Amino acid sequence: NAGVTQTPKFRILKIGQSMTLQCAQDMNHNYMYWYRQDPGMGLKLIYYSVGAGITDKGEVPNGYNVSRSTTEDFPLRLELAAPSQTSVYFCASSQAWDRNYTFGSGTRLTVV
Amino acid sequence: GENVEQHPSTLSVQEGDSAVIKCTYSDSASNYFPWYKQELGKRPQLIIDIRSNVGEKKDQRIAVTLNKTAKHFSLHITETQPEDSAVYFCAASSGAGSYQLTFGKGTKLSVIP
Repeated sequence: NAGVTQTPKFRILKIGQSMTLQCAQDMNHNYMYWYRQDPGMGLKLIYYSVGAGITDKGEVPNGYNVSRSTTEDFPLRLELAAPSQTSVYFCASSQAWDRNYTFGSGTRLTVV
Repeated sequence: GENVEQHPSTLSVQEGDSAVIKCTYSDSASNYFPWYKQELGKRPQLIIDIRSNVGEKKDQRIAVTLNKTAKHFSLHITETQPEDSAVYFCAASSGAGSYQLTFGKGTKLSVIP
């Protein structure tokens, strides 16, 4: 049982480049989330999904897009990367919105 | 939307002492309050949670209290050990009909042997 798997673990992007952060879970969880973590700022919700085909914006969605074509996968797309997107990104899933979140190991992204 | 304030931002205690971290929230409809622990370079992990119909919950050395009237909740760690050193995050649900957790900015706890 792998839990929540994120790839890649590290990435350096140049300004204006695009990339997709991958997230997959094998727990059959309906709820999935993308957070970014900046030093001293806690976790900010980017997007979330309550099931396949359903996504919604969180607190800081600008510059990002998501899709949820299957229960297992919830990729996060960065278009036209900016230095402000330098952060650690965590994907998480849960059985319900008020249950334990299982986090992935994170992706450290640097935009230069 | 929900706003969660967490204090203190850093906390140092001697091994064996108690540690208390406090959070306040703004949305009176919030009804779920988890606490996550994040060790250096690791992912956050749930350590305890409490719902609005309960005033206190305990799990071994960890306890959480909730005061709905004052809209604040606290994490209490007793008999602290070096392995308790980590960043602790409180969170609150964003109210009825929402599926979002809003996190506090975190408290870095250092337990000095």
